[in-house]
Amino acid sequence: GAVVSQHPSWVICKSGTSVKIECRSLDFQATTMFWYRQFPKQSLMLMATSNEGSKATYEQGVEKDKFLINHASLTLSTLTVTSAHPEDSSFYICSARSKPGTFNEQFFGPGTRLTVL
Amino acid sequence: AQSVAQPEDQVNVAEGNPLTVKCTYSVSGNPYLFWYVQYPNRGLQFLLKYITGDNLVKGSYGFEAEFNKSQTSFHLKKPSALVSDSALYFCALLYSGAGSYQLTFGKGTKLSVIP
Repeated sequence: GAVVSQHPSWVICKSGTSVKIECRSLDFQATTMFWYRQFPKQSLMLMATSNEGSKATYEQGVEKDKFLINHASLTLSTLTVTSAHPEDSSFYICSARSKPGTFNEQFFGPGTRLTVL
Repeated sequence: AQSVAQPEDQVNVAEGNPLTVKCTYSVSGNPYLFWYVQYPNRGLQFLLKYITGDNLVKGSYGFEAEFNKSQTSFHLKKPSALVSDSALYFCALLYSGAGSYQLTFGKGTKLSVIP
């Protein structure tokens, strides 16, 4: 199957700093990318959906000024957590779909563990 | 509104025994259902999906799922569990939203296969 990578895998930062997480589709072009957040022992919560070259669509309750998403190319999307605080500590997972069709499989990245001190 | 429920937080099964992980759904219109597996500190891996056709869907690693429209269920099954099957399993429903088709996930079921 197609491969989605994330970088970094783990990041620890001080409160107030910004952190950028990269998501890349390695062997396919991702027309749509999704960013999820997962708390311990909980399900994945969709944060935002982005189509290449367009502004991301954020889910209700997600602060767009805090979680900046850039889908600049068909193989790269970035999530920047601005002025991170301890409550932003979580597991962030990106996902990509190769075609805009309904039933095309979503491929998931391995996730990024963010810890804010 | 669409939703997915996984009624069991944890399922324990002995190695070699059959396993079932339960999932029910609620949606207006046709359901498009998926199962994913997550190993510790890893992303999700696709197991199988139901779009249309046969109610019994076969997927990766020997897993299968049975779609039951009358009971609005999509239970994941495997005839003989392996210790390596121990992981977190998510049922998901595909729906249309925000100009794209998106997945909504159940809360997950932790499967522990006991040697």
